[in-house]
Amino acid sequence: DTEVTQTPKHLVMGMTNKKSLKCEQHMGHRAMYWYKQKAKKPPELMFVYSYEKLSINESVPSRFSPECPNSSLLNLHLHALQPEDSALYLCASSQPPGLNTGELFFGEGSRLTVL
Amino acid sequence: GDSVTQMEGPVTLSEEAFLTINCTYTATGYPSLFWYVQYPGEGLQLLLKATKADDKGSNKGFEATYRKETTSFHLEKGSVQVSDSAVYFCALIRPGFQKLVFGTGTRLLVSP
Repeated sequence: DTEVTQTPKHLVMGMTNKKSLKCEQHMGHRAMYWYKQKAKKPPELMFVYSYEKLSINESVPSRFSPECPNSSLLNLHLHALQPEDSALYLCASSQPPGLNTGELFFGEGSRLTVL
Repeated sequence: GDSVTQMEGPVTLSEEAFLTINCTYTATGYPSLFWYVQYPGEGLQLLLKATKADDKGSNKGFEATYRKETTSFHLEKGSVQVSDSAVYFCALIRPGFQKLVFGTGTRLLVSP
C-alpha cells in the first residue's frame, strides 16, 4: 500500500473548467513534489515544496497552480488547461534538503484527460 | 548538465531468464543512484539505491553496483518472473539538490 494518497484517480475536464488534484502523506516528510508523466516517458518535475514553501518551479505555465496548506497536504489547482496537458500527475514526498538522499515516495497518480 | 542514459526497450524475456538493464550517467561530483520501478497503472516505487562508489544496492532479487570508473549502474536479476514486467527507471540526484534526474525508462516484458 502506498503511503502517499492521491485523489481523484481519474479526472476528465473541459478546457474552461477549474479542478484540483489532491495529495496527502503522513510520513512526516517535509518535502513534497508534483511530477507530470506523459505516456512512455519519464516523470518531469513541475514543483517542489520544502517546509510548505515553494522551492522549485520548473517554468510551469500559470494554468497550473500549486498549494501546500500544511506539511501533509499538497494540491494542484487546474484552470484553462489544454488537451496537451492530459497526462498522469504524480505526487511524491521525501525528507527535506540536507536529509534527502533521493528516495522519493510516490503516489499512484491522477490520470487527467482534458477535452 | 546531469543526465542518465538507459538502454532502449522493450526487453523481452522468458520466465527464469537472466536480466540486465544498462544505465550510465553523467554528473558532477558524487551523485546517489537509484532504480525506480513502475508497474502498469501505478506510480513509481524505489527498487534499490547506492550512495557511493562500489556500493551495491539490492532488493527483491535485483542488484546494481555503483561503478564510478565506468559511470554505470546496471540493473541485474538472476531469474525474472512474469510479475517483474514493468518499466524500470534509472535515476540520480546530487547531494543537496532536490531534482531527481531520470533516464527514459526501459520496459521489461516477461512471458511464462
